[in-house]
Amino acid sequence: DAGVIQSPRHEVTEMGQEVTLRCKPISGHDYLFWYRQTMMRGLELLIYFNNNVPIDDSGMPEDRFSAKMPNASFSTLKIQPSEPRDSAVYFCASSFVDGGYTFGSGTRLTVV
Amino acid sequence: GQQLNQSPQSMFIQEGEDVSMNCTSSSIFNTWLWYKQDPGEGPVLLIALYKAGELTSNGRLTAQFGITRKDSFLNISASIPSDVGIYFCAGQASGTYKYIFGTGTRLKVLA
Repeated sequence: DAGVIQSPRHEVTEMGQEVTLRCKPISGHDYLFWYRQTMMRGLELLIYFNNNVPIDDSGMPEDRFSAKMPNASFSTLKIQPSEPRDSAVYFCASSFVDGGYTFGSGTRLTVV
Repeated sequence: GQQLNQSPQSMFIQEGEDVSMNCTSSSIFNTWLWYKQDPGEGPVLLIALYKAGELTSNGRLTAQFGITRKDSFLNISASIPSDVGIYFCAGQASGTYKYIFGTGTRLKVLA
């Protein structure tokens, strides 16, 4: 298995622009998670899905953030409009119901 | 968001030394996980613990699920340079599937 695949690996964008991060989970995994990592706040859970349905989005910072999972093999995290404080590494992870998470390599987002 | 407290925050050790780190929470957890993160990569699962008091090993790594269910410990024996990285604990509370991550312990090994 290729593991959890995230794209792009790096993204630099100007403030106000829309940013879309993509994730392909491991085939067969029931759960998908989006995390954000910063030096100040560590790893924060933004949202997670079970069988493509959003279960808990209480970690999503504000309305500028949205996430979708149209099918079992693809999810997106969108920021519109982006702000400099959104700069962070965004991780996608997936798992079976009774397993630990497998993380992707992350997307490093820089908003200038 | 909620985080677990890990200590120490960082440590420098000599190659060959043993390492100990811990993670504490004000909440009870049903599952504890330990991850390692290398620079530029996502965290990789090292050990999973499912029962209070459980002691589990993975090579030179040994982790324990605290009896109170509010803490966990990770030990690394005979450290080597490739042990360098950030170690995270993660806890899962009853009634939820999401894991809360610790603040991380940054390990540096001096050859």
